[in-house]
Order: sequence, then C-alpha cells, then structure tokens
Amino acid sequence: DQQVKQNSPSLSVQEGRISILNCDYTNSMFDYFLWYKKYPAEGPTFLISISSIKDKNEDGRFTVFLNKSAKHLSLHIVPSQPGDSAVYFCAAINSGGGADGLTFGKGTHLIIQP
Amino acid sequence: NAGVTQTPKFQVLKTGQSMTLQCAQDMNHEYMSWYRQDPGMGLRLIHYSVGAGITDQGEVPNGYNVSRSTTEDFPLRLLSAAPSQTSVYFCASSYSGGWGANVLTFGAGSRLTVL
Repeated sequence: DQQVKQNSPSLSVQEGRISILNCDYTNSMFDYFLWYKKYPAEGPTFLISISSIKDKNEDGRFTVFLNKSAKHLSLHIVPSQPGDSAVYFCAAINSGGGADGLTFGKGTHLIIQP
Repeated sequence: NAGVTQTPKFQVLKTGQSMTLQCAQDMNHEYMSWYRQDPGMGLRLIHYSVGAGITDQGEVPNGYNVSRSTTEDFPLRLLSAAPSQTSVYFCASSYSGGWGANVLTFGAGSRLTVL
C-alpha cells in the first residue's frame, strides 16, 4: 500500500504563474516531510522540508504547506520559472521510527511553459 | 567536495551475470542507502546502513547484497542479474538515518540494463 501519494503524474504551468504540487500520506506516524527536485540524468536534490509541528515553511519562491488533519501537503512555487521544469518527489519519514529511511511518492513532472 | 560518487554511470548486463555498483561519499556521513527508480514507481529503498559494519534491508532487497566496511563506501552487489533489475540506481547519504530530520544527498545515478 502506497503511504505517500502524488496523484498527478504531470503538471503544466505557464511561466510566471503559480505551480502547486500536491502530496497525500496515509501513515499518521510521519512527522517530517521533504520535497526533492530531480532533473533528467541527475540525482534528486533536496528542495524544502517541513516538520509536523509547523503548517508552513517558506524558502524564497518555494513554500510548503502541511495540513495534518487531512494528511496533505503541497508545494507552491511562485513565480514559476523555466528552470523549475523537473520531477518533484514528496517524501516523508517517522523520525523516531528507526533508520529505514524516507518513503517517497511516485513524483510529479512539472513543465513550465514559456 | 565531490559529495556522493557513483560508478559506473551506465552498465549493460546479461541475465545471470553479477556486478557491483560502487558508491563513495566524502562527507563523513554515517548513513548510506541505495534506492532504485522505476517508471511510475518513484524511489524505493533497497538496503541501508547506519554506520560501518551495519547494514539492513529496505523495501525491495531481494537479489541485492551490500556491505559497509568503511564509512566512505557502500557497494551494491547484484548476485545474478535479472531483467526485473533493469532500473536507475541511486546511492544517498546523510548525517543521520531515521532519527531526526533526514536530508539525503544523492549521487547522480547508475543506469543498469539487464538483457
């Protein structure tokens, strides 16, 4: 059973507009959430994270929102730029649950159109 | 700083052959892990290690072996390659494992094709 779900395999957004990427999780023990960005032929790179004690975290153009009651988080990119075109992975972890690492979603391919 | 270095970048194997994917990091990270990425499947954890001499299985460990004799190196061995192991493999490391915040640094990946 998939514990971290990204239900949109792809998303197309016009340059300058807002991109919103969504992620749902089922495991209520997850308490730390991360977004990774991946370009073709490269490894994923860390983008932004949020702890379950917060409901929002901002870093420049990137903001992550967490709704614990809905088990939902979203990544907002404003304004979207051509370099933002990539695959975005949502990941989650139970930080007190052991060393078995992050659980990743399947990814959303964001395409920024000029 | 090189970060996480994976070799080879590309490899083609025949069914039944064995090989080792190499992973080295120069950040003195205790935690290292291997993931595979398949189309429509995201990243799945194969094996991980919380320090030299300690390894454990992840979500999809069958057909793979690992060892951790040094802090820097974490090789992944395919014992008898199968077409189902065709994938892109990523090595990742961090200061801590599941405890606390975990920000993994990934290598560039190794693309393996098994014929």
